[in-house]
Amino acid sequence: GNSVTQMEGPVTLSEEAFLTINCTYTATGYPSLFWYVQYPGEGLQLLLKATKADDKGSNKGFEATYRKETTSFHLEKGSVQVSDSAVYFCALSAWGNNRKLIWGLGTSLAVNP
Amino acid sequence: NAGVTQTPKFQVLKTGQSMTLQCAQDMNHNSMYWYRQDPGMGLRLIYYSASEGTTDKGEVPNGYNVSRLNKREFSLRLESAAPSQTSVYFCASSANTEAFFGQGTRLTVV
Repeated sequence: GNSVTQMEGPVTLSEEAFLTINCTYTATGYPSLFWYVQYPGEGLQLLLKATKADDKGSNKGFEATYRKETTSFHLEKGSVQVSDSAVYFCALSAWGNNRKLIWGLGTSLAVNP
Repeated sequence: NAGVTQTPKFQVLKTGQSMTLQCAQDMNHNSMYWYRQDPGMGLRLIYYSASEGTTDKGEVPNGYNVSRLNKREFSLRLESAAPSQTSVYFCASSANTEAFFGQGTRLTVV
């Protein structure tokens, strides 16, 4: 079946550090891949997405590339800010799943000044 | 544009009480979802509705019922609340692949 595995947290970084959060997936066919972000006390919101192999999604300085050969969609940012402190979720959507989103468990990021 | 609106934001129930969580979206989306979020367990799908008039069980449906009242509204009912249902509940809607979430309902069952 379809599944998403993302690195466990919490991740603690200093401001301006480089961020990588790993995400790998298992899916039949060609899923769409997403990163969502949840700020404290809020619902999830879409951060970026990619719908086919080699696509790069980007937003707010974050990037992720859809790698079919390694079934990965790692989230990166070159220089994090305190305001990036949040929980990050990787997810996929595949036709065989009635298009329901399959979620990773989330990775908590804390950025210290 | 309100997006997805959930009510209430907070609720405390006694064991055995019932309540309904309300959700409405104004984006004309076909699909709507109810999730619960618990520490260390990510998001778990309770029920979903692919279109008006249809509902299906997700991963953790026991103890819950849903109603897709119309295209806009999708409610979640706890008939007899249990402490294990203490959680944060999120409603979401989608038209294609991207999902839009409400702000959540923090429910405590004592």
